[in-house]
Amino acid sequence: NAGVTQTPKFQVLKTGQSMTLQCAQDMNHNSMYWYRQDPGMGLRLIYYSASEGTTDKGEVPNGYNVSRLNKREFSLRLESAAPSQTSVYFCASSEWHLEMGGYTFGSGTRLTVV
Amino acid sequence: AQKITQTQPGMFVQEKEAVTLDCTYDTSDQSYGLFWYKQPSSGEMIFLIYQGSYDEQNATEGRYSLNFQKARKSANLVISASQLGDSAMYFCAMRETINTGTASKLTFGTGTRLQVTL
Repeated sequence: NAGVTQTPKFQVLKTGQSMTLQCAQDMNHNSMYWYRQDPGMGLRLIYYSASEGTTDKGEVPNGYNVSRLNKREFSLRLESAAPSQTSVYFCASSEWHLEMGGYTFGSGTRLTVV
Repeated sequence: AQKITQTQPGMFVQEKEAVTLDCTYDTSDQSYGLFWYKQPSSGEMIFLIYQGSYDEQNATEGRYSLNFQKARKSANLVISASQLGDSAMYFCAMRETINTGTASKLTFGTGTRLQVTL
């Protein structure tokens, strides 16, 4: 009964390095999302995938790319990390018809770029 | 674009007292949903309560209730009989329909940090 699994939980990068944040869900949800959380700013949507095979930009997509590898997996890639990308990243999944409890969040990845 | 506003960066409440956390929203959609999440210091996002835009009664879940005033576009969270374990960050969020109604996404407010004191 894992729900949404994010890896890694913590990561420190040097400016200019690249990395991929992994996310997998086992609830057969169609939609998946990547959010970032910064102090005083709440959670902001980076990219989302409404269904397998589609991805779209959210509110703050610059500096990121995503891949919906299959229905279960949605990865977030930082090609050239910048200190401004220091944040906590959350992956989430949802199913449209499950209104009330339809969003499930991963436990987050704390990323520091030095 | 949808917008969620939480005007209280921080709130204090005494144990066993009730507290109201404010949330206002802006949308042109007729169908939408409003959520409240709790984020303790451990960082996970915990779903608390949900209100659909067509629901006529205010949602309740145990000690949590949502004071939904559609005309005023507000969806305040009321926590009754506060407990020390309620100390956390609380986020209001709104579900927006996308992809011609076959999917949705959440827009979050900036959050309110609640501290429960003895």
